[in-house]
Amino acid sequence: SQQGEEDPQALSIQEGENATMNCSYKTSINNLQWYRQNSGRGLVHLILIRSNEREKHSGRLRVTLDTSKKSSSLLITASRAADTASYFCATPRGGGSEKLVFGKGTKLTVNP
Amino acid sequence: DGGITQSPKYLFRKEGQNVTLSCEQNLNHDAMYWYRQDPGQGLRLIYYSQIVNDFQKGDIAEGYSVSREKKESFPLTVTSAQKNPTAFYLCASSKDRSVEQYFGPGTRLTVT
Repeated sequence: SQQGEEDPQALSIQEGENATMNCSYKTSINNLQWYRQNSGRGLVHLILIRSNEREKHSGRLRVTLDTSKKSSSLLITASRAADTASYFCATPRGGGSEKLVFGKGTKLTVNP
Repeated sequence: DGGITQSPKYLFRKEGQNVTLSCEQNLNHDAMYWYRQDPGQGLRLIYYSQIVNDFQKGDIAEGYSVSREKKESFPLTVTSAQKNPTAFYLCASSKDRSVEQYFGPGTRLTVT
């Protein structure tokens, strides 16, 4: 069952611009994660934000979490062509489970 | 280097044949997972294992089987009962009680 849904499905920007992707989810969570997938490769964990955090930074990444709206956003600042990838949000299924539910992803293209 | 390996990267089979996909990790992780990814889609959980000699069905287990005889290994067999086996298969692992997952590079299976 899908929990997180990313928006937009696809995003095309120029190098140097910022990219913002959104994720909405349905049930209460204790954390939310963002992953990146280069074409034809495995996923790479980017950042985890806990339910008691509203914002978290990692390098050029900024993640926000609004538990009242059940939504999260991933901002990539000063994007580079190498940021071209699909980005997925993932939430635990609940009950302390290690299992994750992934959204369908946002495909980001950064044009040089 | 620690990580997860999947082999082979590309696999071709004729319809009606069983095929086994390999997944090995040297991260000393207890939990391992198999996901299926179809074009433009998110990840769907096939099977997962939290401990050696134990595994549970995920959302789309029909037509698949797994074993977990060693902590390091979690092979997936795609049986002839799987109606639409052509897909990209991803293996992942995580530490006990940690939700961050580490992914292998994936195996692209094509069945004709």
